[in-house]
Parts: sequence; structure tokens; C-alpha cells
Amino acid sequence: NAGVMQNPRHLVRRRGQEARLRCSPMKGHSHVYWYRQLPEEGLKFMVYLQKENIIDESGMPKERFSAEFPKEGPSILRIQQVVRGDSAAYFCASSPPRASMNTEAFFGQGTRLTVV
Amino acid sequence: AQKVTQAQTEISVVEKEDVTLDCVYETRDTTYYLFWYKQPPSGELVFLIRRNSFDEQNEISGRYSWNFQKSTSSFNFTITASQVVDSAVYFCALSEAKNSGYALNFGKGTSLLVTP
Repeated sequence: NAGVMQNPRHLVRRRGQEARLRCSPMKGHSHVYWYRQLPEEGLKFMVYLQKENIIDESGMPKERFSAEFPKEGPSILRIQQVVRGDSAAYFCASSPPRASMNTEAFFGQGTRLTVV
Repeated sequence: AQKVTQAQTEISVVEKEDVTLDCVYETRDTTYYLFWYKQPPSGELVFLIRRNSFDEQNEISGRYSWNFQKSTSSFNFTITASQVVDSAVYFCALSEAKNSGYALNFGKGTSLLVTP
């Protein structure tokens, strides 16, 4: 039973390029959360998705960032025209349907984005 | 607004010493969950504990123990007889309801260094 899979583990992009981060939730999980960890900081919530729906994107920057969780395939966090300040570790977590606060969310190993 | 404060940025102890990591939180919710995660140098997030706001019993798991005090809004974590492998960044987090799911508000973390 594979855990939450994120790829790539490390991603290097030049300023102005696009970054696409992928997250495959645990089997049977339909809720996906994306978090960003800036250097020396804790994780910050970005967006919460269920299959084909964005439920809460209150933590997403207004520009250049988007997320999707299609019916088939992984969830994608997309960052357009990356800047140095986007360098961070991006974590994905998943939880099963009808998740409540009593339901543990399982985290992936993260994708470390470096913008040069 | 929810907030988690981990006042200790870095702690350094010698192996076999006991160490307590502090966590203070703010919330207006009556039902919430508190979490501790460990982030070793390899970068992944390791779930340690989840505590319900209605359960103030202290918990012990091996060398780890947690002291939840609602009166002071604190959820402190103690490692007894620390070991070098305990060296990591430890995050305290507070759940926040998000429609049909929830997200976590993380503190900035406490970096623990255990030296031989």
C-alpha cells in the first residue's frame, strides 16, 4: 500500500520557467492538500482539493499558482514564471473521503523546488 | 485567527538528557486537534501524535510524552533520554476546518540537536 507519492523529489528551474509538481494520493484517498515550506519556516497551507474540485484555495498566491486534481491521474501544482522567492519545499497530503479532523492526513516526501 | 507558537527556535542537548519542546496555540474553535510532526534531515514529515481538544489526558509513547493543558493553551512535547537520532525539526500544528475537510496550521518549528 504505497503512501503519498510526490515527484519529482527535486526540481530546478530558471527564473521565468514553469514548474509542475505532481502528487499521487494514497489509494482510496480523494482529498488532497498542498502546503509550502519556505526555508527556516513551518508549512503553510495553500490549497485543498477533492476530485475535480478546488474546495479551498485561500492559501494560494493570487497569481502564477494553480492546482488541479483531475478525475484520473495525480494532483498537479503548477507555478508559472517562477521567481527566486518560489524556492521552497512543497508538500502534498491526502486523506480519505468524508475526512474529519479525526482523520489523519498522510504527507508525501515533498518536492524541493530551486529557482536559479 | 488561528496561531501556533513554538518559541524555541533551536535547542541543543547532550545525549541522554531530557528535553521539552513548547507549543502554545490560539483558536476560537471549541473542537480542534493538535499534532506533532518530526522532520529529520532527510526532509520528510513523520507523524508523531494527534490529540483531540476534549481529551486532556497526557500521553506517553516510549521515550515520548505529551502534556496537553487547555487552561494554558499548550501542548508540550518531552523526549526522555534523548538520542542522536532524535535530532530533527519538530513541528506543532493545529487543525482548522475547511468545508468538508481540514487543514493544518503549523508553528515555525523547533530544531533539536542531540550531540553524543
